[in-house]
Amino acid sequence: SQQGEEDPQALSIQEGENATMNCSYKTSINNLQWYRQNSGRGLVHLILIRSNEREKHSGRLRVTLDTSKKSSSLLITASRAADTASYFCATDKEGNDYKLSFGAGTTVTVRA
Amino acid sequence: DTAVSQTPKYLVTQMGNDKSIKCEQNLGHDTMYWYKQDSKKFLKIMFSYNNKELIINETVPNRFSPKSPDKAHLNLHINSLELGDSAVYFCASSHLAGSQETQYFGPGTRLLVL
Repeated sequence: SQQGEEDPQALSIQEGENATMNCSYKTSINNLQWYRQNSGRGLVHLILIRSNEREKHSGRLRVTLDTSKKSSSLLITASRAADTASYFCATDKEGNDYKLSFGAGTTVTVRA
Repeated sequence: DTAVSQTPKYLVTQMGNDKSIKCEQNLGHDTMYWYKQDSKKFLKIMFSYNNKELIINETVPNRFSPKSPDKAHLNLHINSLELGDSAVYFCASSHLAGSQETQYFGPGTRLLVL
């Protein structure tokens, strides 16, 4: 079964708006990563957050982690057409930190 | 100058055939991976090699056999292809093994089994 699940499955927003997507996971983790996948391409790493961190920023991206709720969120501020992509969270399992488990992603469409 | 490259990009073949997908990385990484992405976009780890040694071997049919001739290459051979093998297969690499490592993905190989 999948360790991480993204929500919502799809999101459509206007350019300039913020996009928020969530990731829930089942078991305790060491690390959580977010990746982006443009249509027809491979995944690209966005940000890593460790289990002892609560928030990280990278440019227009903000990631939070709530280990008590086993959830993470990715916020993209001031979205652009180029942000149209699928976004995946990937988690490990505490005690097994070799493998990353991905969900099915959130597909974000930014309308011009 | 592609960091992680895969060949072929597209593969259309008949059921029962045997096919191989090749992956090469020029990043000097120690660890390489094969993932399968199905039509619903679920991305599932299949195998991982660290320094030519198999470290992750998920529950995949034994028709799938990875081979790592050296650290820069990880190939995937599939015997007796089935309809359900149709998917996009991604190769990835990371500097070291571990979930804290950034993984760099190839462009994918789109396999269609008829």
